[in-house]
Amino acid sequence: KAGVTQTPRYLIKTRGQQVTLSCSPISGHRSVSWYQQTPGQGLQFLFEYFSETQRNKGNFPGRFSGRQFSNSRSEMNVSTLELGDSALYLCASSSSVSYGYTFGSGTRLTVV
Amino acid sequence: GQQLNQSPQSMFIQEGEDVSMNCTSSSIFNTWLWYKQDPGEGPVLLIALYKAGELTSNGRLTAQFGITRKDSFLNISASIPSDVGIYFCAGRQGGSEKLVFGKGTKLTVNP
Repeated sequence: KAGVTQTPRYLIKTRGQQVTLSCSPISGHRSVSWYQQTPGQGLQFLFEYFSETQRNKGNFPGRFSGRQFSNSRSEMNVSTLELGDSALYLCASSSSVSYGYTFGSGTRLTVV
Repeated sequence: GQQLNQSPQSMFIQEGEDVSMNCTSSSIFNTWLWYKQDPGEGPVLLIALYKAGELTSNGRLTAQFGITRKDSFLNISASIPSDVGIYFCAGRQGGSEKLVFGKGTKLTVNP
């Protein structure tokens, strides 16, 4: 069974640009969550999607957005990038909250 | 944002020793999860706990869901070099799919 796949693995962007990250969940998993991981703040929840609907949202500015497609694949977008957006962005999928979340390997975003 | 208080921040132990780490919170959680993260990879789920007082094992790992629902601990017995990594606790509150994470415990095992 394939795991959670995130693309790309690494990305370098310039301040002010926008970026789109992709996540393919485990087959059959309908819930997809996104987290930002930085050395200073640790793992912070961005948002969670289920059946193409955003169910939960973390405390991030509106520059961070996401969506989920009918096949459960999800994308997150960050507009007007800032240096502080440099982080490891992790996607996790779950078929049920009772079974925990399976994380992908993440996308390492560097903003210069 | 909200975070769990995880301790210790780091541990340096000899191979074969037992390890214990814990997470506490001022809030109640309905689910406690323990993850391990290796460099350059995403966290991997080790143990999931769903009931207060629950004690669950996974090989050399044992975790417990605190009776007050505000804490959890993870024990690793007879540590080996491949146990090296960062261990995170995570909690989920009722009515939310959001996981709140601790800041992690970095484990170093000396052969």
